[in-house]
Amino acid sequence: DVKVTQSSRYLVKRTGEKVFLECVQDMDHENMFWYRQDPGLGLRLIYFSYDVKMKEKGDIPEGYSVSREKKERFSLILESASTNQTSMYLCASSLRNKDEAFFGQGTRLTVV
Amino acid sequence: GQSLEQPSEVTAVEGAIVQINCTYQTSGFYGLSWYQQHDGGAPTFLSYNALDGLEETGRFSSFLSRSDSYGYLLLQELQMKDSASYFCAVSSGGYQKVTFGTGTKLQVIP
Repeated sequence: DVKVTQSSRYLVKRTGEKVFLECVQDMDHENMFWYRQDPGLGLRLIYFSYDVKMKEKGDIPEGYSVSREKKERFSLILESASTNQTSMYLCASSLRNKDEAFFGQGTRLTVV
Repeated sequence: GQSLEQPSEVTAVEGAIVQINCTYQTSGFYGLSWYQQHDGGAPTFLSYNALDGLEETGRFSSFLSRSDSYGYLLLQELQMKDSASYFCAVSSGGYQKVTFGTGTKLQVIP
């Protein structure tokens, strides 16, 4: 079975902190994604990576950056956390020419 | 950029059929997917359409019309466990970036 693992299920951080959310997949997928999910807004794409060190901005990249130094790992970085970044963060991965994306269980981040 | 529209809520009776529509605007369209998400869970893949027409997987079917930028998910013989949120998603661009809609919350009632 494909496994996408996010490092934390719940996280509480203070405003202004630098926050790292880690995601690891074990199926050699080229594509990896970071989404945030808020009630009524669905899943909004923050960043997308299609290969090691390659990335594209999604719909809401402001306040976030990403790192993909190894194929299996995709990190989301909040440079200076703010309360409006309190949300559920979902990581996903997929093969480039396949239709199915596999999701991690999510990280519920609270910024206080 | 991409935009997808789908109804926010749908209620249907157990055993009935329900259709959830999705319209999209995107450049470099590759395909339309559907995902199911139960409360507290992660989205899981249901179906995918790259070509016009109907794809059937058990009780679930998905339809795509590329010329109309429109698709739908059809759920038959509804069961209580089908109560969940359903998301349409478009794959676009050479590397198949996946962008999701805002989701439709389906409530199945007895």
